[in-house]
Amino acid sequence: QVQLVESGGGVVQPGRSLRLSCAASGFTFSSHGMHWVRQAPGTGLEWVAVISYNGGNKDYADSVKGRFTISRDNSKNTLYLQMNSLRADDTAVYYCARSLSSGYYASFDYWGQGTLVTVSS
Amino acid sequence: DIQMTQSPSSLSASVGDRVTITCRASQGISNYLAWFQQKPGKAPKSLIYAASSLQSGIPSNFSGSGSGTDFTLTINNLQPEDFATYYCQQYNTYPLTFGPGTKVDIK
Repeated sequence: QVQLVESGGGVVQPGRSLRLSCAASGFTFSSHGMHWVRQAPGTGLEWVAVISYNGGNKDYADSVKGRFTISRDNSKNTLYLQMNSLRADDTAVYYCARSLSSGYYASFDYWGQGTLVTVSS
Repeated sequence: DIQMTQSPSSLSASVGDRVTITCRASQGISNYLAWFQQKPGKAPKSLIYAASSLQSGIPSNFSGSGSGTDFTLTINNLQPEDFATYYCQQYNTYPLTFGPGTKVDIK
């Protein structure tokens, strides 16, 4: 069965960096685009970033552009989110989500359980 | 960016009721519209894509409709496990955007 397991969250000081990982299993990872979505405490869902099935295309929310980098290693079935220059308003649960297909404009089907990132001094 | 709005923001319903949630996009998105369900402390769950297609494993009491700018999610015969927050999302244009959510609770 499809499984997405995020890791790497924790407490970090403002201005520091953190790298999240999302380990995928139960499907052909290299055939699907992947996304990061976050949810600040008590608020709704915010899309963060997308990477195409082969890593050739990426896009970001304006709120993270220039600070966050999405990447993937298809040989390790793993998705990453490198987060630099973290701010208090980056505090959220971060979810990885699978695109329904290899297409760039596709909905999500599976989500991970999320990992909490807290940015605080 | 495409803005997504939802109405109502919350509603109270009883088991067995029919519930309708509306989602509106600030510009036309064809049928590139998805619906998600989220329960407290849990990850979102994908319900519907392409405005009206059920994700695998989603019961048929859920249905979606619409195209362009106006969409609806209907839950027939509301079950106890359906009490949750529901989000719409457009994937026609990047950045992808979500609606603010509709909380369905027990009357």
